[in-house]
Amino acid sequence: DSGVTQTPKHLITATGQRVTLRCSPRSGDLSVYWYQQSLDQGLQFLIQYYNGEERAKGNILERFSAQQFPDLHSELNLSSLELGDSALYFCASSVLGQGGYNEQFFGPGTRLTVL
Amino acid sequence: DQQVKQNSPSLSVQEGRISILNCDYTNSMFDYFLWYKKYPAEGPTFLISISSIKDKNEDGRFTVFLNKSAKHLSLHIVPSQPGDSAVYFCAASATSSGSARQLTFGSGTQLTVLP
Repeated sequence: DSGVTQTPKHLITATGQRVTLRCSPRSGDLSVYWYQQSLDQGLQFLIQYYNGEERAKGNILERFSAQQFPDLHSELNLSSLELGDSALYFCASSVLGQGGYNEQFFGPGTRLTVL
Repeated sequence: DQQVKQNSPSLSVQEGRISILNCDYTNSMFDYFLWYKKYPAEGPTFLISISSIKDKNEDGRFTVFLNKSAKHLSLHIVPSQPGDSAVYFCAASATSSGSARQLTFGSGTQLTVLP
């Protein structure tokens, strides 16, 4: 158990819909990262927050957005869903926000299926 | 453009023998490298890491070697155990300007340890 929790575990929805994925980082971790793992692609970095502020963006679509709340939990919002958005979405957390070396600890993931 | 490559999608070894998983990278800005293990339906689990100022890091049965001139790293598992059977991901990070260290992942190698 990494200490990172994600809900829900599974999500099935239809094209055009909007969903929200939730992540609670490990106690004490200020950074939260979101990754997407599709069948034909490896783990792709989406976005990172540190102590409530956006710090880095990767291959995140404009239809996707995220935020980190004062209690440090984070939500990833996916809208106007398309079939190709079906994937595993992982959240990770780490202690440091920048500069130092630090490993990231991953949650169990949310499997999103868009029908 | 794949910045982190794991060219072997699968590897099978006998229990008790050495497993060697390889990873190549192209971005010379990467200065921190990590290996993760992933079981089906779970998030990646951190195994071991190495910074670019070192060429070897050891933790129990796991050793990571870094050859900066060749932009190559490898993970050695000795002795291999059936419980080590999983997908192994190589990941790398660099400090972006003012932000933290998102990970760039390879595509993974499925390790099967045969009893």
